[in-house]
Amino acid sequence: EDQVTQSPEALRLQEGESSSLNCSYTVSGLRGLFWYRQDPGKGPEFLFTLYSAGEEKEKERLKATLTKKESFLHITAPKPEDSATYLCAVQAVDQFYFGTGTSLTVIP
Amino acid sequence: DSGVTQTPKHLITATGQRVTLRCSPRSGDLSVYWYQQSLDQGLQFLIQYYNGEERAKGNILERFSAQQFPDLHSELNLSSLELGDSALYFCASSPTGLRSGEQFFGPGTRLTVL
Repeated sequence: EDQVTQSPEALRLQEGESSSLNCSYTVSGLRGLFWYRQDPGKGPEFLFTLYSAGEEKEKERLKATLTKKESFLHITAPKPEDSATYLCAVQAVDQFYFGTGTSLTVIP
Repeated sequence: DSGVTQTPKHLITATGQRVTLRCSPRSGDLSVYWYQQSLDQGLQFLIQYYNGEERAKGNILERFSAQQFPDLHSELNLSSLELGDSALYFCASSPTGLRSGEQFFGPGTRLTVL
């Protein structure tokens, strides 16, 4: 069964304290893995697309990496404005599967 | 602002009723996706349309249907509503139908079924 699991469910960090979010997946025919950020009451905002194992993408304090079974979203020296829910999604053939997200809170 | 618009923003209705949610994609985007987000199940893919044709189908109930019109806007029709249909419904769009993980989401329609 195709599925996406994110961990941890919630994460509290002090400002400047780096950490990583995990997304593990079991999908037949992976077409791509995507990271989104979602603020409360809003639609998800696209961050990254990763297509193959070993690929890395960076944007400001965020860096996404992909292996054959999981992806990591590394957050370096986070700021309070990075507080949000981070969603991982995979595309398998013509289906999209989203994880339930990691709720990140960055404390000043 | 993603450029994707959804109406209405909020909708309150009763069980057994039928509602229509509307989505206008970003200018130039050919694909439209519909998602349901509830507290217990996260974001669930419902259906995708590409240039007016159904492209992919997820866990969409038979009581739900969608279509994409020639001007590329899309409507999601929900009928025989149940309490469990209460959720946020998001529409997203992308330029193409292939390798389209970069989707642009609208602000959502919050549906409450009483």
